[in-house]
Amino acid sequence: AQKITQTQPGMFVQEKEAVTLDCTYDTSDQSYGLFWYKQPSSGEMIFLIYQGSYDEQNATEGRYSLNFQKARKSANLVISASQLGDSAMYFCAMRERLIQGAQKLVFGQGTRLTINP
Amino acid sequence: NAGVMQNPRHLVRRRGQEARLRCSPMKGHSHVYWYRQLPEEGLKFMVYLQKENIIDESGMPKERFSAEFPKEGPSILRIQQVVRGDSAAYFCASSPQRATNTEAFFGQGTRLTVV
Repeated sequence: AQKITQTQPGMFVQEKEAVTLDCTYDTSDQSYGLFWYKQPSSGEMIFLIYQGSYDEQNATEGRYSLNFQKARKSANLVISASQLGDSAMYFCAMRERLIQGAQKLVFGQGTRLTINP
Repeated sequence: NAGVMQNPRHLVRRRGQEARLRCSPMKGHSHVYWYRQLPEEGLKFMVYLQKENIIDESGMPKERFSAEFPKEGPSILRIQQVVRGDSAAYFCASSPQRATNTEAFFGQGTRLTVV
């Protein structure tokens, strides 16, 4: 069964610094997808970035990039030039094998990121 | 193009009452997923539905919980005889029939509080 591990329960970073949030995964599938979501205190789940297992290049979306190391089964999220508004919970997730078009996601426990002014 | 719509945003129920949570998928999406988030935890998959069919309910508790996605109208997650342990945030996500796998969008969630 697929599993996602986020080993950092909380992180504190100074504003404008870069931050890396760790995520490792376990799967026997060759085809899979990895997602990162942000959950601010208001509670909604905001999609940030996606990486497919066959993608050769690391995904990037604005200040977010995904450091994908397939051999190590890691998919760390890098946020450059952090801002106060980045303070939130961050979840790493993996898509399980598609069945009849399913996008069933398995989530990690999350990392609470706090940006200090 | 509206996103995934969930209502109500907040729901308070007394122990023993029924809770009904609604999810309208994005326009053009025919697949709906329900997830539950207990306090300080990640989301856990509950059920996957297509129109009029439950495809995968491996994450649904065996009793008191049911889900439907009728031909017309929103998907409904129904919790009968709620208990304090049902207090959680319930999220819905949707995808098109041929999912491209690059995105999975969630609704804003329904926060259920059982008192």
